[in-house]
Amino acid sequence: DVKVTQSSRYLVKRTGEKVFLECVQDMDHENMFWYRQDPGLGLRLIYFSYDVKMKEKGDIPEGYSVSREKKERFSLILESASTNQTSMYLCASSSGGGHSYGYTFGSGTRLTVV
Amino acid sequence: GQNIDQPTEMTATEGAIVQINCTYQTSGFNGLFWYQQHAGEAPTFLSYNVLDGLEEKGRFSSFLSRSKGYSYLLLKELQMKDSASYLCAGLPYGQNFVFGPGTRLSVLP
Repeated sequence: DVKVTQSSRYLVKRTGEKVFLECVQDMDHENMFWYRQDPGLGLRLIYFSYDVKMKEKGDIPEGYSVSREKKERFSLILESASTNQTSMYLCASSSGGGHSYGYTFGSGTRLTVV
Repeated sequence: GQNIDQPTEMTATEGAIVQINCTYQTSGFNGLFWYQQHAGEAPTFLSYNVLDGLEEKGRFSSFLSRSKGYSYLLLKELQMKDSASYLCAGLPYGQNFVFGPGTRLSVLP
């Protein structure tokens, strides 16, 4: 069974901390994405990557950075966590042949910044 | 611009049929997707329309009219386990998915 695995289901961090959210996929997918999901706002794209070492800003990149050193791993970094970054974070991947097969999502990480 | 609208919440009765609508404004989508998301879980792929018309998959069907910027997801013979959020997502040409806000469906006994 193909999988996208996010390292933590729940995280509680303090304001100002540097936070790492890890995502690993075992499908050999080229494309990987980080979204945050908030009630009433739906999924909003933070960053994406179409290849190793490649990264592109999504719609709401401010306060975040990413790293993709290996094809299977895409990390989201909150440089200095703030309370408005409390949210559900979803990682997704898709094949490089186009998005026509849709995304496979991870189970999500619910981050609370206090 | 790219904007997708869905009703925020819907309620239906077990065994009934429910239609969840999705409207969008865009210069062109390469496809229209529906995902199901149970509370606290990851969204999972339900269906995909690239051409106008109806796609049927068991109890679930999805319809697309590109000229009208309109899609719906039809759920038949509702079961309690169908209580979830349903996300409409469009794929603009050469870009990433645009997601609607999601429709939270509650199925009542």
